[in-house]
Amino acid sequence: AQKVTQAQTEISVVEKEDVTLDCVYETRDTTYYLFWYKQPPSGELVFLIRRNSFDEQNEISGRYSWNFQKSTSSFNFTITASQVVDSAVYFCALRDTNAGKSTFGDGTTLTVKP
Amino acid sequence: GAVVSQHPSRVICKSGTSVKIECRSLDFQATTMFWYRQFPKQSLMLMATSNEGSKATYEQGVEKDKFLINHASLTLSTLTVTSAHPEDSSFYICSARGGTGNNSPLHFGNGTRLTVT
Repeated sequence: AQKVTQAQTEISVVEKEDVTLDCVYETRDTTYYLFWYKQPPSGELVFLIRRNSFDEQNEISGRYSWNFQKSTSSFNFTITASQVVDSAVYFCALRDTNAGKSTFGDGTTLTVKP
Repeated sequence: GAVVSQHPSRVICKSGTSVKIECRSLDFQATTMFWYRQFPKQSLMLMATSNEGSKATYEQGVEKDKFLINHASLTLSTLTVTSAHPEDSSFYICSARGGTGNNSPLHFGNGTRLTVT
């Protein structure tokens, strides 16, 4: 069975602080995909990043960066110099390669205060 | 980019009535769509996988007779909540993969907030 754990339920930071959202996953698949999505108060989920299990290269996109470590089954997400607009619920998701279904973590609610 | 449109965004209905929610892929064809349910401050729970031209695949514990799914075309899937009860009140979200590959990201509709009175 697949499982995604986002241990941080809520995080509150002050604008311009850096913040890291943790994601730990469990799977028996040797090939799988990991995703991060953002859900702002409006409700729509927005795709942020995808990572294939065979590609451990970390990625940076503007203020966002992702650290994928297969050895610890973690796929952490860091926001640098956070802004109020970053306030949202962030979900980490794991997708298997058979049925193609995605398993979501419980989400981390990030609040960035001005 | 891939756009998924979901309608209606909000619906209030009386107990015992049925509600239909539509999910359309606007600029791409989606042979597979996914229906999720989200309770307040909780994660997304996959209800079913909607397959174009065939029966939907329901997750364990989801009543197929209560949540009817029809995927009649490559751009439209519908979820009908039949004989709705207050406990069916929730946020329902549809999604579709933006490409043919299994690693394609999901693109989500804006969700439908259902309130059953």
